[in-house]
Amino acid sequence: EAGVAQSPRYKIIEKRQSVAFWCNPISGHATLYWYQQILGQGPKLLIQFQNNGVVDDSQLPKDRFSAERLKGVDSTLKIQPAKLEDSAVYLCASRPGQGYEQYFGPGTRLTVT
Amino acid sequence: SQKIEQNSEALNIQEGKTATLTCNYTNYSPAYLQWYRQDPGRGPVFLLLIRENEKEKRKERLKVTFDTTLKQSLFHITASQPADSATYLCALARMDSSYKLIFGSGTRLLVRP
Repeated sequence: EAGVAQSPRYKIIEKRQSVAFWCNPISGHATLYWYQQILGQGPKLLIQFQNNGVVDDSQLPKDRFSAERLKGVDSTLKIQPAKLEDSAVYLCASRPGQGYEQYFGPGTRLTVT
Repeated sequence: SQKIEQNSEALNIQEGKTATLTCNYTNYSPAYLQWYRQDPGRGPVFLLLIRENEKEKRKERLKVTFDTTLKQSLFHITASQPADSATYLCALARMDSSYKLIFGSGTRLLVRP
């Protein structure tokens, strides 16, 4: 079974630029999560999708972050414009309908200069 | 707001010994607690889940305890090996429709050969 795929793995941008991350969850997993992990901290949930609907986006900075999951499969997370404090690893995870464990992708390391 | 505390200092132990990691929480009544392993440059990997009505869970060399009175979980790795060196994250969730996880900042484990 293929795992959660993310791209790109690394991205360096200047502040005020925009960036987009892509995630392909495990086939059949209805729930998809985007997390932000700052160095030395645990993952912090940004947004959760159930199929193509948003379940929780309470911690998503909506003035600059947006996410979508068209057709309930792949998802993209966008930051526009980026700030220095957005430097972090962005993790995508998915969860099957039965079971509580989440399956994480390798993450995208974003550096904002 | 909910707070999850894990030892920020790395735990350094000799191969063959038992590693014990601590997760404390406040202002929270989790329905279940999960432990994840995270290696550098990779996403977290699920290890174990324990529910609020369970005292102990085992899987091979791993053991998790959950004390809702003390608001604490202990994670044990017996007969530790250098390959067990990683960061271990605890995560808590309420039982609702979102299955939202709140992660601690993790504890780094170093097992010396």
